[in-house]
Amino acid sequence: QKEVEQDPGPLSVPEGAIVSLNCTYSNSAFQYFMWYRQYSRKGPELLMYTYSSGNKEDGRFTAQVDKSSKYISLFIRDSQPSDSATYLCAMSLSGAGSYQLTFGKGTKLSVIP
Amino acid sequence: DADVTQTPRNRITKTGKRIMLECSQTKGHDRMYWYRQDPGLGLRLIYYSFDVKDINKGEISDGYSVSRQAQAKFSLSLESAIPNQTALYFCATSDRQRGVRTGELFFGEGSRLTVL
Repeated sequence: QKEVEQDPGPLSVPEGAIVSLNCTYSNSAFQYFMWYRQYSRKGPELLMYTYSSGNKEDGRFTAQVDKSSKYISLFIRDSQPSDSATYLCAMSLSGAGSYQLTFGKGTKLSVIP
Repeated sequence: DADVTQTPRNRITKTGKRIMLECSQTKGHDRMYWYRQDPGLGLRLIYYSFDVKDINKGEISDGYSVSRQAQAKFSLSLESAIPNQTALYFCATSDRQRGVRTGELFFGEGSRLTVL
């Protein structure tokens, strides 16, 4: 079993839809959780990060972490064509191992106008 | 200009050739990383460096070597390239303090390497 599982998609939604992207993980020691966005032919860029369990909201984006289920989600409200990208979840340990990220494979999202 | 610059952006080479991918950054970060990205496998860490004298192997370092020539420069070498090293390679940097708390890496635009 891979440490981080992420459905690669592709996922295609109409403009304005609510998008739900998810990752599951097996290592209960992960404490930091991130979502990166990668546009075609570009490097990933950090979209959101959370520490431990809970929700975090930033504009149209909401990140959720459920450590009891080892499950993280990213919700995109009122999706826009500019949201079309690959979304990568990532996570890391606390303490000395916190510099090393474990990435999911990424979910490719297309938002159709 | 990009904060993290990778050269070359694209390279086609033959099996057995030596290849160097170069990375330079203007962000002033002390930590630098090399990742490779493969379809279906995601991003995997090859090497990372916390400063010029501190270089560490990542998850998949076999067949690769690195050199940290200065705080701003980190090169990845393939001594004898093989076809399964065909991939998209990313250099990344992070800030020592903020990077730990946020997991924020700053990536270059990638170097696409094809080994025939």
